[in-house]
Amino acid sequence: AQSVTQLDSHVSVSEGTPVLLRCNYSSSYSPSLFWYVQHPNKGLQLLLKYTSAATLVKGINGFEAEFKKSETSFHLTKPSAHMSDAAEYFCVVSDGGYQKVTFGTGTKLQVIP
Amino acid sequence: GAVVSQHPSRVICKSGTSVKIECRSLDFQATTMFWYRQFPKQSLMLMATSNEGSKATYEQGVEKDKFLINHASLTLSTLTVTSAHPEDSSFYICSAGTPTLRGGYTFGSGTRLTVV
Repeated sequence: AQSVTQLDSHVSVSEGTPVLLRCNYSSSYSPSLFWYVQHPNKGLQLLLKYTSAATLVKGINGFEAEFKKSETSFHLTKPSAHMSDAAEYFCVVSDGGYQKVTFGTGTKLQVIP
Repeated sequence: GAVVSQHPSRVICKSGTSVKIECRSLDFQATTMFWYRQFPKQSLMLMATSNEGSKATYEQGVEKDKFLINHASLTLSTLTVTSAHPEDSSFYICSAGTPTLRGGYTFGSGTRLTVV
């Protein structure tokens, strides 16, 4: 069984300040973990993924996430928020292969000018 | 990279009619595709797993006679919402993975269905 918890439903930051979106997971196996972004009325775009290689994963648009097995966490960070980062972010876990995945409930990021 | 095309992006239909949504993997073969549904302000919920050449596997609570899934080829899966009702209005998204991209899923751009 697998599950994922996004600890914050809404996060608000000022433009130019750091972003932290939190995600904790549980998995029976070595998981694959992903972060996706969804802009309003758009599909999902993959930001980054962890698949048992380096624990610090760099993604697109300056985002990165660190896999911490001891904390069962995969938090998403960005040093400096941009207005275009305002969107909904989903943390996703998979038990491997390309079987079905489990989505977190999402975190809506608001960027204040 | 892997690209998944979903069509149409938006559709409005009358109550009682059927709507077909297509999901195509453009540059890879997908033996398995997934269909999700997203209600406003909620996360994505898996509806069914579409397997090429066999019957789809539906999640608990999803009516298989209402949401018909056909995966006739390695690059195409279709979801047909039959006898649509206003409560079927939602955002539907498909995804597909590749054998070389462990756990990597590419999502379609989604279909906004409005039943009036």
